[in-house]
Amino acid sequence: DTEVTQTPKHLVMGMTNKKSLKCEQHMGHRAMYWYKQKAKKPPELMFVYSYEKLSINESVPSRFSPECPNSSLLNLHLHALQPEDSALYLCASSQRNQETQYFGPGTRLLVL
Amino acid sequence: GESVGLHLPTLSVQEGDNSIINCAYSNSASDYFIWYKQESGKGPQFIIDIRSNMDKRQGQRVTVLLNKTVKHLSLQIAATQPGDSAVYFCAENMGGDDKIIFGKGTRLHILP
Repeated sequence: DTEVTQTPKHLVMGMTNKKSLKCEQHMGHRAMYWYKQKAKKPPELMFVYSYEKLSINESVPSRFSPECPNSSLLNLHLHALQPEDSALYLCASSQRNQETQYFGPGTRLLVL
Repeated sequence: GESVGLHLPTLSVQEGDNSIINCAYSNSASDYFIWYKQESGKGPQFIIDIRSNMDKRQGQRVTVLLNKTVKHLSLQIAATQPGDSAVYFCAENMGGDDKIIFGKGTRLHILP
């Protein structure tokens, strides 16, 4: 099983809302990632969790707050987003660092 | 600038022909390379990878070639099919951390 699941598939939120994106994998992977992808662009790394600890934050604004409750789950809490934050948010996991990353289908976020 | 890039943004190939998608990278320290396929509305799907101690690796209908001398990576798809229509990204891991960096992507069009 190489499946990474993400919920919700689509999300529309206002700039004052608080919402969360969820990601789950049951492959026993110990590294999990959040990426942001704008239309016609490659994915851009946001955060990396390794063994449930945040190891990389690519200077992401604090209105994005990641959380790794356990080795299978990864959340991205959203608060006071801007319209330019509208994008596809992708979660990925890998068995260990520097190994192949497997991606979920993404959450398409629209901020109004 | 980006350390990973692609020579052509769009490639059109006749169905049944072979496709070759190229990628250049600039970081000599990169030791792991991955090709991903992303179909419209989906997350990137792992196709094949190669480590820097190899120069060729074959999968089912796909071959990745690595030329470290000129820092060039290519993906060859044999007998291209309509289902191969997608954007293809090369990605590199620079060694020593958890990040992979994506290239700009090449859109592959299959002509009937």
